[in-house]
Amino acid sequence: EAQVTQNPRYLITVTGKKLTVTCSQNMNHEYMSWYRQDPGLGLRQIYYSMNVEVTDKGDVPEGYKVSRKEKRNFPLILESPSPNQTSLYFCASSLFASSYNEQFFGPGTRLTVL
Amino acid sequence: KNQVEQSPQSLIILEGKNCTLQCNYTVSPFSNLRWYKQDTGRGPVSLTIMTFSENTKSNGRYTATLDADTKQSSLHITASQLSDSASYICVVSANRGGGGADGLTFGKGTHLIIQP
Repeated sequence: EAQVTQNPRYLITVTGKKLTVTCSQNMNHEYMSWYRQDPGLGLRQIYYSMNVEVTDKGDVPEGYKVSRKEKRNFPLILESPSPNQTSLYFCASSLFASSYNEQFFGPGTRLTVL
Repeated sequence: KNQVEQSPQSLIILEGKNCTLQCNYTVSPFSNLRWYKQDTGRGPVSLTIMTFSENTKSNGRYTATLDADTKQSSLHITASQLSDSASYICVVSANRGGGGADGLTFGKGTHLIIQP
């Protein structure tokens, strides 16, 4: 089944404890992206990657890191999480970067930072 | 600054009734507009995409319209079903050019509840 998977789905952690949220897609998509979704703010893009080893900042990149060492994986790294990073996170992928290509979203990761 | 405004914020209707959701945007240069459906606790799923030259596009009971002159779009749901309960998100793309990724501006969504 063609899909985007994220792990973990739920995570509660404490301030400053490094964490990684994994994202994987099995559709051979070149473009991958991370979003956060907060009540009243909608979806905001954190980072995106147009292809392997090519990443760029989105609208809210502060406090996050990403890497794209292989096509299928695009992990999101929080080196020192803070409470304001408590949010619902979505990974998405599309065939190419053009917005004419539909983005397929993962199931989401709900992160709570205490 | 590119913006997408959706209305209403929330809407409750009875099963079987029709409804229309609105999306107004100020995004330039306009590339396309997409409507997503997001079920509670799940990722968004694309319903329709419309380009500058398209006025109407349907996907089953969902019909999207676009007026590029007034920069308005609507999503009409016909004969609503309980499974239509979800958030509906309008996303407008701007062509950044230079071979880079298109810029996406997300609306905050309309939360639709269908009551039996």
